[in-house]
Amino acid sequence: SQTIHQWPATLVQPVGSPLSLECTVEGTSNPNLYWYRQAAGRGLQLLFYSVGIGQISSEVPQNLSASRPQDRQFILSSKKLLLSDSGFYLCAWAGTISYEQYFGPGTRLTVT
Amino acid sequence: KQEVTQIPAALSVPEGENLVLNCSFTDSAIYNLQWFRQDPGKGLTSLLLIQSSQREQTSGRLNASLDKSSGRSTLYIAASQPGDSATYLCAGSNDYKLSFGAGTTVTVRA
Repeated sequence: SQTIHQWPATLVQPVGSPLSLECTVEGTSNPNLYWYRQAAGRGLQLLFYSVGIGQISSEVPQNLSASRPQDRQFILSSKKLLLSDSGFYLCAWAGTISYEQYFGPGTRLTVT
Repeated sequence: KQEVTQIPAALSVPEGENLVLNCSFTDSAIYNLQWFRQDPGKGLTSLLLIQSSQREQTSGRLNASLDKSSGRSTLYIAASQPGDSATYLCAGSNDYKLSFGAGTTVTVRA
C-alpha cells in the first residue's frame, strides 16, 4: 500500500531563517506531487506541483521554492522566511489515472 | 479555473440525524470531484472520488452525488455519530490540480 511521510511535524523558525520541508511517498512510482498551504481560517492554497523529476510548476509567486530531486521526494524551501509564511503545509500525491489525491500528515510552521 | 463553494460554513446536528453537505462548482467540464475529511490539526483524509463519467459513489454510510449540469455535488452521511464531527472539504479539478472549497465544519451532538 502507498504511504506518504512529511517531516518535521512542527517547526518554529525566526524571521529571515531558511526552511526545508521534506515529503516522501512509498509504494507507488511516477506520482504527481503537490505542496499546499493552509493558513489559519483560510482554505487550502496550492503552492507547487510536479508531474516528474525536476519538473516544478508554481501556482503562486512568493517567498518559497520547491524541488523534486527523486521520483518520490518533494522538498519545499525558502531562503528567508517571512511572518506570512506561517501556516500548515501539506504534501499530497496522486496517481496519473484517476488523479485521486492523498495527503500527508502536514507540517505546522510558525515563523516568529 | 474551477471555483468551488461550500455552504454552510458550519453545521450542528443531533446524533442520529442524516447529514447533507453541499458543494457547488463553476465549470461543468469537471474531470473529477473529491470529498475529504479534516480533523483539527491533521491532514486531509480522502472520503470519496467521483469521476466525471459517474453520478455517485458510496462507501459505508457515505454517499456522494455529482450533477455536472447544475454544478453541484452533495455528500450524504447517514445516521450521524459524534465521531463524524470534523471539517468536510470538497475539491474539483479540470486537470490534475484540485480547487478546494472552504469547507463545512460539522458538529454532531451526543
